[in-house]
Amino acid sequence: GENVEQHPSTLSVQEGDSAVIKCTYSDSASNYFPWYKQELGKRPQLIIDIRSNVGEKKDQRIAVTLNKTAKHFSLHITETQPEDSAVYVCAASQNEKLTFGTGTRLTIIP
Amino acid sequence: DTGVSQDPRHKITKRGQNVTFRCDPISEHNRLYWYRQTLGQGPEFLTYFQNEAQLEKSRLLSDRFSAERPKGSFSTLEIQRTEQGDSAMYLCASSLASGIRYFGPGTRLTVT
Repeated sequence: GENVEQHPSTLSVQEGDSAVIKCTYSDSASNYFPWYKQELGKRPQLIIDIRSNVGEKKDQRIAVTLNKTAKHFSLHITETQPEDSAVYVCAASQNEKLTFGTGTRLTIIP
Repeated sequence: DTGVSQDPRHKITKRGQNVTFRCDPISEHNRLYWYRQTLGQGPEFLTYFQNEAQLEKSRLLSDRFSAERPKGSFSTLEIQRTEQGDSAMYLCASSLASGIRYFGPGTRLTVT
């Protein structure tokens, strides 16, 4: 089955700097890659997703890049703000079974 | 509130007891998913329904776990003879076809 690895597990960046979180996946058939933001004790909320027919997608300060050959995808957050502090979880799927990474706790330092 | 809802939000039970959780998906969503999340981990897939049909079950879903979606709307997840290892957050999500999955707030289960 699919295996998703996520790095780093924790990340601290200065407010205003950029943050990058990387995920690798094992199943070359996976074609859908969402990123979720999960604040402590709350539900995961989708922040951006990408399908395998594109290499990059951007939404304001958030972007996701996908390298299908290397089987990895990354989340980029620019101009970070204190409210970006949360756990970010990546996922991959090619069917209904979404496989999640273990999450990255992002802390924005004011 | 038109989002996914779950009930109860918290459940404390003694080992060996049975518990049942409910999920109400977004009304027009035909797909419903159950996940389990433990501290420091991402959600783990348990099972999913398309309408009332349960189409896939994870190996994580032992014989003590059963899920139903009798009318293709709400779903229930029952855990029989609970064990301490069952303590986790149980998340429900719904989607339209293979679209975006929207998660509910979760039910936090504590088995003492």
